[in-house]
Amino acid sequence: RKEVEQDPGPFNVPEGATVAFNCTYSNSASQSFFWYRQDCRKEPKLLMSVYSSGNEDGRFTAQLNRASQYISLLIRDSKLSDSATYLCVVNKGQSYGQNFVFGPGTRLSVLP
Amino acid sequence: NAGVTQTPKFRILKIGQSMTLQCTQDMNHNYMYWYRQDPGMGLKLIYYSVGAGITDKGEVPNGYNVSRSTTEDFPLRLELAAPSQTSVYFCASRGTSGASYNEQFFGPGTRLTVL
Repeated sequence: RKEVEQDPGPFNVPEGATVAFNCTYSNSASQSFFWYRQDCRKEPKLLMSVYSSGNEDGRFTAQLNRASQYISLLIRDSKLSDSATYLCVVNKGQSYGQNFVFGPGTRLSVLP
Repeated sequence: NAGVTQTPKFRILKIGQSMTLQCTQDMNHNYMYWYRQDPGMGLKLIYYSVGAGITDKGEVPNGYNVSRSTTEDFPLRLELAAPSQTSVYFCASRGTSGASYNEQFFGPGTRLTVL
């Protein structure tokens, strides 16, 4: 089993739709969790951290379920500019250098 | 701040050639990383550094070397390039306190093709 797995995608949704991405991780000792956004042929950029209580930033909501080792990202009222690949990232909490594991990403295309 | 800069942006190498990918950050971050990203795959850690003079292997270090003589610079060396090293290479840095503690800042990447 891969350390971090994501919905394979791609997701093609119309503008204004609500879309949810799922991510699972295998290491129960993982300590912190993130969603990064990567535009086509660009570098990843942090979208939001994921907290145990869940957190919201505008149209984006992230949830964490430690018992199920599951993270989600919900995007409401999708915009064309949301089209990108969304990377789930997990901090394994092990040695301080190589502790971030990236999922393969889920590609989102928001259509007019 | 320029953040993390990488050079070159693109490069084509012949099998067996060598090259150095440059990475510089101006945020005074202690942690620096080199990743490679193959199409449809997640980023894989090649090497990382927790400070000047300290480097360690990541998940896929074979065929690469690094050095960290200053806080700002973290070059990645490819010796004897092979087609399997065709990829996009990202350098990243991370601070050790405050808001940047868990956020990795990435450079724009180097697209390398080995023919």
